[in-house]
Amino acid sequence: QKEVEQNSGPLSVPEGAIASLNCTYSDRVSQSFFWYRQYSGKSPELIMSIYSNGDKEDGRFTAQLNKASQYVSLLIRDSQPSDSATYLCAVSLSGSARQLTFGSGTQLTVLP
Amino acid sequence: DTAVSQTPKYLVTQMGNDKSIKCEQNLGHDTMYWYKQDSKKFLKIMFSYNNKELIINETVPNRFSPKSPDKAHLNLHINSLELGDSAVYFCASSQRGSTDTQYFGPGTRLTVL
Repeated sequence: QKEVEQNSGPLSVPEGAIASLNCTYSDRVSQSFFWYRQYSGKSPELIMSIYSNGDKEDGRFTAQLNKASQYVSLLIRDSQPSDSATYLCAVSLSGSARQLTFGSGTQLTVLP
Repeated sequence: DTAVSQTPKYLVTQMGNDKSIKCEQNLGHDTMYWYKQDSKKFLKIMFSYNNKELIINETVPNRFSPKSPDKAHLNLHINSLELGDSAVYFCASSQRGSTDTQYFGPGTRLTVL
């Protein structure tokens, strides 16, 4: 069983729509959760981090964490073509020395 | 001002050669990492150093040897390169005691012919 799983892509949404990206993790005592954005040929860039249950909003981005369901999501409101990228979910597992485990990524395309 | 830098950006070499990739961070972080990203974009931790001490050593061939001369630098040396080593290698850094946020370098695309 994969430790961090993301919904299979690619995902296409029209410009202005809400893009919903999902991630589940297997280690129940995971503590830190991150969403990275990676443009083609570039390095991962942190866009959101969340540590407690509930929602965290930053501009057009909202991260949602549900530890009971072992689920973390990222919503992108008013999607723009510039949001087209691969989104990586990462989880800091319990007992690890700052080790991040990444999901396989979801490729998002926002259609103009 | 580049926070995490890597050299070289591209590396093309023949099977069997030995090569090194260098990483430097100017963020004052005490922990540095090497990740490998394969052709399917899967990003996997290889090594982590905290204050020059190895703290994570995932299952990678012993042809890969990290070296941290100081906490701002983490280099990766690869012996006897194989075709399967072709990937993008990312260096990252973070500060222990903070929120685990890792900052990535621009990556080194290694192609083994």
